[in-house]
Amino acid sequence: DQQVKQNSPSLSVQEGRISILNCDYTNSMFDYFLWYKKYPAEGPTFLISISSIKDKNEDGRFTVFLNKSAKHLSLHIVPSQPGDSAVYFCAAGWGNTPLVFGKGTRLSVIA
Amino acid sequence: DVKVTQSSRYLVKRTGEKVFLECVQDMDHENMFWYRQDPGLGLRLIYFSYDVKMKEKGDIPEGYSVSREKKERFSLILESASTNQTSMYLCASFEGTDTQYFGPGTRLTVL
Repeated sequence: DQQVKQNSPSLSVQEGRISILNCDYTNSMFDYFLWYKKYPAEGPTFLISISSIKDKNEDGRFTVFLNKSAKHLSLHIVPSQPGDSAVYFCAAGWGNTPLVFGKGTRLSVIA
Repeated sequence: DVKVTQSSRYLVKRTGEKVFLECVQDMDHENMFWYRQDPGLGLRLIYFSYDVKMKEKGDIPEGYSVSREKKERFSLILESASTNQTSMYLCASFEGTDTQYFGPGTRLTVL
């Protein structure tokens, strides 16, 4: 039973446009959510997070939106750059329990 | 800057060999994790540890064991490596609801 789902395995976007990566979750206990970016042959690096008490968090070109009633979050990247091409993992957690990760979405930004 | 290091970036072993993957973190985190990442399957939790000498099974512990003798070090052991354990292994550490930090990963190939 997947508690965190990223339904799009891949996404292609033109350079300069907006990239929107989506994530759905099922566990109402989750109270914080994170996005990680992963390049091939490297470990995931933290990108941005959001607490369940917020509905938006922004950091430069990256914005995460949380819709608790829909149990949905999304990552917006504006404008997209070729260096953003990577696999993006959505993760959720609560308390001290291990993070639960989605299966990832491969983003390709085309120049 | 948090640092999570892993003993090897690339490893090639033969079927039946005992394999040790070492992970060290320098942030005095109590929580440490071992994941494997496979294409299309995302990050799957193998084992985790909340404290020295403590260990908990994750989602896919079969064929693996762990050791946490010191707070900063968390070792993953493949008692008898098999070809289906060829994967990217990722170690992570975190404290409370802080960001989970990953090491650079070990790409293990079992022949």
